[in-house]
Amino acid sequence: GAGVSQSPSNKVTEKGKDVELRCDPISGHTALYWYRQSLGQGLEFLIYFQGNSAPDKSGLPSDRFSAERTGGSVSTLTIQRTQQEDSAVYLCASSPTRRGVVGNEQFFGPGTRLTVL
Amino acid sequence: TQLLEQSPQFLSIQEGENLTVYCNSSSVFSSLQWYRQEPGEGPVLLVTVVTGGEVKKLKRLTFQFGDARKDSSLHITAAQPGDTGLYLCAQNSGGSNYKLTFGKGTLLTVNP
Repeated sequence: GAGVSQSPSNKVTEKGKDVELRCDPISGHTALYWYRQSLGQGLEFLIYFQGNSAPDKSGLPSDRFSAERTGGSVSTLTIQRTQQEDSAVYLCASSPTRRGVVGNEQFFGPGTRLTVL
Repeated sequence: TQLLEQSPQFLSIQEGENLTVYCNSSSVFSSLQWYRQEPGEGPVLLVTVVTGGEVKKLKRLTFQFGDARKDSSLHITAAQPGDTGLYLCAQNSGGSNYKLTFGKGTLLTVNP
């Protein structure tokens, strides 16, 4: 079966431009996550979706970052007025929701490498 | 905020050697996951440990969860070049069962 896919795989943009990153989760997975991975910083949680709603947006670094999910499936992460410090790999993950299960496995996509010049 | 400390940060060894990497926290884990990430890919789950003192084996990989559930180790026997990658530990944070907090990882290189 298909795993999590992300597009584009690489994105180079100029400072100040807006970018949209797309995530297609595994079919049937109700939970979707966005993380950011910077060199030497590890994976940083950005936002979590359960269905189409985002009960936890606490990791979004500024109001230039936003995300939405439609149809309980595809999600888009938008960064407005990009800055050089936004350069990173943006990873999307999905998981089935299993109530009461500790340590739910997350399935990651290959990421989008964003470079802001 | 619980922080996960991983050590060593970098490890370069020859094929056939054994190695151990560590993951530590100042707080008790409810559970701990180990992931491996290869270049250009997302992390892939290796194992989840839940019970203090638990030991799990996955072929040449042995995972231990400390009795006090504040530390974990990953031991690889007879490392192979295919073991090369970034090894990450992660735990559920903030009392949730969805948000993962990751350590910065151990970058392992196994030379043929």
